[in-house]
Amino acid sequence: DQQVKQNSPSLSVQEGRISILNCDYTNSMFDYFLWYKKYPAEGPTFLISISSIKDKNEDGRFTVFLNKSAKHLSLHIVPSQPGDSAVYFCASRNQAGTALIFGKGTTLSVSS
Amino acid sequence: DAGVIQSPRHEVTEMGQEVTLRCKPISGHNSLFWYRQTMMRGLELLIYFNNNVPIDDSGMPEDRFSAKMPNASFSTLKIQPSEPRDSAVYFCASSSAGWNTGELFFGEGSRLTVL
Repeated sequence: DQQVKQNSPSLSVQEGRISILNCDYTNSMFDYFLWYKKYPAEGPTFLISISSIKDKNEDGRFTVFLNKSAKHLSLHIVPSQPGDSAVYFCASRNQAGTALIFGKGTTLSVSS
Repeated sequence: DAGVIQSPRHEVTEMGQEVTLRCKPISGHNSLFWYRQTMMRGLELLIYFNNNVPIDDSGMPEDRFSAKMPNASFSTLKIQPSEPRDSAVYFCASSSAGWNTGELFFGEGSRLTVL
C-alpha cells in the first residue's frame, strides 16, 4: 500500500499560469515533507520542503501548502515556465528519519 | 564539487546474468540510499546505509538482490541472477549527518534492461 500518493500522473498548464500539484499521505506520524523535481536522464533534485509544524513554505515561485487534518500537501508554481516541465515527486520523511518515501510522481508540462 | 556518481549509466544484459551497479556518494556524507524507479511503483527505497552499516533493507525485493558498502566512498548493488522484471532505473543517493533537512542528493541513475 502506498503511503504517499500522487493521484494525477500528469498536468498540463500554459506558461504564466499557476501549476498546482497535489499529494496525499496516510501516516500521521510523518513529520517532514519534500518536493523533488526530475528531468529526463537525470536524478531527482530537491526543490522545497515543509515541516509538519508549519502550513506553508515559500521559495520564489514555489510554495508548498500542508493541510495536516486532511493529510494533504500541494505545490504551487506561479508563474509557470516552460523550464518547469519535469516530473515532480512528493516525499515524506518518517519520524525515525530512516528514509524518504516517495509518491509515483506527476509529469508537469508547461506550454509556451 | 562532485555529486553522487553512479556507474554504469546504462546496462543491457540477458536474463540470468549477474549485474553490479556502483555508487560513489558525496564526500563527507554518511548516509547512502539505493532507490529503484519503475512506471508502476515510482521511486522505491531498496536499502539504506548509515556509516557504512545497512540499517534498513526491507525494500530489497528478493534474495537475488544484495548491497554492500565496504567503505565511506563506495557502494554496490548486485542482482544475481537478473530477471526481466528487474528492468528499471536504479538511483543512489547520499545525505550528510543529521536529518534536519531530509534532503537527499541523487546520482543520475543506472538504467538497467534485462532481456
